[in-house]
Order: sequence, then structure tokens, then C-alpha cells
Amino acid sequence: GESVGLHLPTLSVQEGDNSIINCAYSNSASDYFIWYKQESGKGPQFIIDIRSNMDKRQGQRVTVLLNKTVKHLSLQIAATQPGDSAVYFCAETASGTALIFGKGTTLSVSS
Amino acid sequence: KAGVTQTPRYLIKTRGQQVTLSCSPISGHRSVSWYQQTPGQGLQFLFEYFSETQRNKGNFPGRFSGRQFSNSRSEMNVSTLELGDSALYLCASRTGPSASGANVLTFGAGSRLTVL
Repeated sequence: GESVGLHLPTLSVQEGDNSIINCAYSNSASDYFIWYKQESGKGPQFIIDIRSNMDKRQGQRVTVLLNKTVKHLSLQIAATQPGDSAVYFCAETASGTALIFGKGTTLSVSS
Repeated sequence: KAGVTQTPRYLIKTRGQQVTLSCSPISGHRSVSWYQQTPGQGLQFLFEYFSETQRNKGNFPGRFSGRQFSNSRSEMNVSTLELGDSALYLCASRTGPSASGANVLTFGAGSRLTVL
């Protein structure tokens, strides 16, 4: 699979590869984190979330990892497909505050 | 179940004009948030309303305002438009203000504003 360091704006992978998108968050008080996917012409769409009392959560083909020590979040997509091509955003919130988004990473999947 | 509906989808205004954007949340959702999305700044939080009260406000000038009605529908207004206000304005709703897996923020498709 291919991975990026702390926020690169673009990631290009081959169909079938595993993708890893990284995100650094800023607020040590944040206790809830979400990954969103945004396709062209659409609003962001929920992918997966994780609370700060967890360090890993799995969904269908996606896994989110949380490292609170270094304030780092990652999204792993298994067997990436062309339909996964989109912009991916991480977002954080602390109790009662607004959801704050990071800069997105554009994932391009070639077949 | 219908999603978040935003109108209009596209609009063009000139500098100095004002604009009102509308958002109908998912049925049963009482919290509505607004975001501005631009290529340079990404997604920036504008404000959140719950039960007709503004709960949170982002770092935008007073030209940006919003309101929520008793049926949870929301509007945002931008007065004295500037070229830099050109953006995609996204509305999102959830059942209440507390973030959780059962209360995920769901976005509409946005209103694309171009200021000439």
C-alpha cells in the first residue's frame, strides 16, 4: 500500500492497493474524530468516526487509527477502488464545540 | 428519508449585493451548521443553530449572519458581498448539538456562490 506523511494534498494509487491518508489534529481536548469523503459536486459524506477512548475502529474496507500522544489520525482504505477517488477530510471536535475540518487529501485511483 | 436540501444550488451576485441561502435539514434534525468551503481555506465553520438559538460561531465578519426557524429550517445571509465570498456554502444537520456516532453531521450538496 501507499501512505503519505502528515498531510500531503494528493495521493495517487493503483486499483487494489491499500491507501493510507494521514491527518494531524490541533486540539488536545478533542474527543471525537470523523473522516468524511467528498466527491465532485457533492457535500462531504460520513465514512467513519472514532472517540478518543479508542485507538482503532474498523468499518467496511476502512480503518481509522488514532494516536493521541502525537495528535495524529489516519484513514486506511483496503483494496482501493476507482469509486474511492475523492477528497478526504478529517474533522475533530471537543464536547459542545463545532466540528473543525482539516485540509483535505485528494485520492486518485487509477485502474 | 430526504437528505439536507440547500437552495439555490448556484447563484451569481455582484460586489456590494447581499445574498440569502436556505437550508432544509433532515426531518427530525434540530441542529443546523453552516460551513464555507474554498480551495484556499478548505472547510471553515460559520455557525451552528439549535432550537432557533445560535450555539457556536466561527471567525467570520458580521456580514455573515444566520437564523433558524421553528421548523428547524435555516437561512444564512451575507451582506455587502466581496469577491472573496465566492465559495461553496454547505449546510449540515444532526439531531442535536452533541457529536456522537448516532448523531453524525450530514451535509447537503451546497450552494455555489460566485461574486463578480
